[in-house]
Amino acid sequence: SQTIHQWPATLVQPVGSPLSLECTVEGTSNPNLYWYRQAAGRGLQLLFYSVGIGQISSEVPQNLSASRPQDRQFILSSKKLLLSDSGFYLCAWSVSFNEKLFFGSGTQLSVL
Amino acid sequence: GQQVMQIPQYQHVQEGEDFTTYCNSSTTLSNIQWYKQRPGGHPVFLIQLVKSGEVKKQKRLTFQFGEAKKNSSLHITATQTTDVGTYFCAGRRDSGYALNFGKGTSLLVTP
Repeated sequence: SQTIHQWPATLVQPVGSPLSLECTVEGTSNPNLYWYRQAAGRGLQLLFYSVGIGQISSEVPQNLSASRPQDRQFILSSKKLLLSDSGFYLCAWSVSFNEKLFFGSGTQLSVL
Repeated sequence: GQQVMQIPQYQHVQEGEDFTTYCNSSTTLSNIQWYKQRPGGHPVFLIQLVKSGEVKKQKRLTFQFGEAKKNSSLHITATQTTDVGTYFCAGRRDSGYALNFGKGTSLLVTP
């Protein structure tokens, strides 16, 4: 069966520090991968999605970047965190755009 | 760009009362999905609606997709404390686009 792993579960980082969140999917090939951010327990904002290795689409301009170095690995990065980057980050995958999303357990990021 | 609006933001009901959340899109959707997020958890897929006017039921939950494919609703009959959580709708403008989520409706059920 397919599983999605996301880590770390919680992270406290100072302003200006770098960020790297990793997400891996098991049990499937060539999944669509997504990064969402949920601010203050509210809506889900799509940050990035990828349909294949090295293919990244950004939905909103921001201080973050994403990479997909391997088929089932998706990384969210920042060179210098801002206070406004705080939030709950969720990785997700789907078989295709028309299929349901499977979410990871999320990373609660606090930038202080 | 496409926007998916969801109301109400919060709903507090007594156990046994019904609950409805509504989702509206500024553009016609190819399909709509519903997710539930329990407090402290991650969103979990509930259902997908594709056809105009479609109605689907899951036990006490009834999902509807509007005739114009611009709106949707989730109705829970006789809520239980296990229904507590945030319910999100998510719409897709076309088959080639990623989902856009509404801001969710947070449901609190008190016994």
